Order: sequence, then C-alpha cells, then structure tokens
Amino acid sequence: EPEVTQTPSHQVTQMGQEVILRCVPISNHLYFYWYRQILGQKVEFLVSFYNNEISEKSEIFDDQFSVERPDGSNFTLKIRSTKLEDSAMYFCASRRDSHYGYTFGSGTRLTVV
Amino acid sequence: QQQVKQSPQSLIVQKGGIPIINCAYENTAFDYFPWYQQFPGKGPALLIAIRPDVSEKKEGRFTISFNKSAKQFSLHIMDSQPGDSATYFCAANFGNEKLTFGTGTRLTIIP
Repeated sequence: EPEVTQTPSHQVTQMGQEVILRCVPISNHLYFYWYRQILGQKVEFLVSFYNNEISEKSEIFDDQFSVERPDGSNFTLKIRSTKLEDSAMYFCASRRDSHYGYTFGSGTRLTVV
Repeated sequence: QQQVKQSPQSLIVQKGGIPIINCAYENTAFDYFPWYQQFPGKGPALLIAIRPDVSEKKEGRFTISFNKSAKQFSLHIMDSQPGDSATYFCAANFGNEKLTFGTGTRLTIIP
C-alpha cells in the first residue's frame, strides 16, 4: 500500500535555529497538509497546499513557518526560528481528492531545547 | 463551529467487550467523518469513514453509527482485542478543506 514518508523521524534543535521537515506524499495525490500534535494532545491543522500554493492555514502557521514543494515530489515544512513551544510531532498528510481519505505519514518528532 | 467534541477521554474495556466512542459536531456543512487509530510514536491511520447519506457503515469489527439530525457519530469495536489498545480520533471536514480532529480517546483492552 502506498505510504507518505517523512524524514527525519526525530530532530533535536536549539531554540532559534531553523529546521526543515521533509515529506514525500503519495505520487498521485494532489492535496498536501501539515498537522502537528503536542504530546498527549489532539492533532492540530497547520496548513494545506494545492496546485503549488497554500490553500488554507491556521493561526499557528505564522510568519515563522513556510511550506514548499521544490521538485514535484518532496513537500517541506520550514520553521525559521524555532521556539520551545514548537516541540511536537509533525505529521504530513496527502489526499487524492475529496472522494478519498487522508493518508498520514509516521511523523517527525521535533524537540526544541 | 469548527469543533468536534469527543468522549470519553479514556476507556477501559475487557477483551471481547464493545467499546463505544462518541463524537458530536456543529458544522452542518461537514460531509466526511473518518475515524483514525493511532499507536504511540506513529501517525494516525485511517480506520473507517462515513458520509452523511448513510446511517451506519461496517468494516470488519469496526462500525460507525451516524445520526445526522443529532449531529453525532460513534465508533463501535466488536469483539475487542488487546491489539486494539490505541488512541482513537474522530474527525470531520467538507470538500477538500482541512480535517478537524476530536480530542482523542485512549482505549485500553484488558485480557
């Protein structure tokens, strides 16, 4: 079964540093998403991406965050200057269209120290 | 109006029992209601989903019951097993908009 692949699985970074989280969505999917989950809490929406542009973003997705699909296969989330409260699991998801379910990756655990 | 309320927060059931997890929503535009299963350290995995044109959907031991007028839907797990122990999230959305997740239910099945 096709998978959404995320790398790295765990990233530790110092506060104020930039991090890039990488995702390879399923190849025939058109809609891409980033969600995050603070330990023990619910899954929160960050941003959706379609046709090479952001289609929706949450209040969490401020100017410190950006997304890119640089080469038609990878989908990246960049946090420019990490804060302690950015520590969370970050999940990438993709979807073919509204008739199909979302497929989530296994996540990147980001720890900001 | 985008909220999805989920209960209970945690649930302990004996093996073979039928855990039931409930969700309620407010946005009547929602047209897709999935349930996700999440094991520790893993991403949410789609378990089963329903659309508002049916009142029940069954896949293996998992059943969704959907009550459109009450704006509620629930997950039932038949003949539960210890391997079903996980966190379960309900969610909802419409069209290609974002998924809104419930707060999660930590289910423990004891042998």
